Amino acid sequence: NAGVTQTPKFQVLKTGQSMTLQCAQDMNHNSMYWYRQDPGMGLRLIYYSASEGTTDKGEVPNGYNVSRLNKREFSLRLESAAPSQTSVYFCASSRGGQETQYFGPGTRLLVL
Amino acid sequence: GQQLNQSPQSMFIQEGEDVSMNCTSSSIFNTWLWYKQEPGEGPVLLIALYKAGELTSNGRLTAQFGITRKDSFLNISASIPSDVGIYFCAGQGFDNAGNMLTFGGGTRLMVKP
Repeated sequence: NAGVTQTPKFQVLKTGQSMTLQCAQDMNHNSMYWYRQDPGMGLRLIYYSASEGTTDKGEVPNGYNVSRLNKREFSLRLESAAPSQTSVYFCASSRGGQETQYFGPGTRLLVL
Repeated sequence: GQQLNQSPQSMFIQEGEDVSMNCTSSSIFNTWLWYKQEPGEGPVLLIALYKAGELTSNGRLTAQFGITRKDSFLNISASIPSDVGIYFCAGQGFDNAGNMLTFGGGTRLMVKP
């Protein structure tokens, strides 16, 4: 039982390049989330998917798009990366509503 | 958006000492959560609090949900080196079926053996 997995673990991009961060969970959870973590700021929600087929904006959605591919997978896409998007990105999942969110190990992204 | 103020930002303590950290909010929450993050890992849930005034323990950890619903504290008793990490509080509100978590800025704990 792997829980929440994320790929890649590390990535370096040049400004303007695009990439997709992948997330998968094997806990049959309904809800999935993407956060970014910057020093001293805790985690901030980018987008979430309350259930398969739905996505909603979080606190900091600008510059990102998401796709809930199926119940297991939730991807985050940067169409044109900017240095301000240098961060650590975490995916999380939960059964939904008030249920506990379980986090993946993170993707460290550097945009030059 | 909602703001969570977590303090202190960092602590450097001697092994065996007790630790206390807290979070305050300008808004009310219906759930308070405490997570621990170790280097290179994602946050892991330590304690969840669901009711105002609730006091919950998990081993050497004790957390309380403030009666006003706007604050919470976490205590760690008799600290050990493996307690090192960043501790985050998080509040879960009433909007969007409670899906959104708001995180504090974290407390970095360092323990000297």
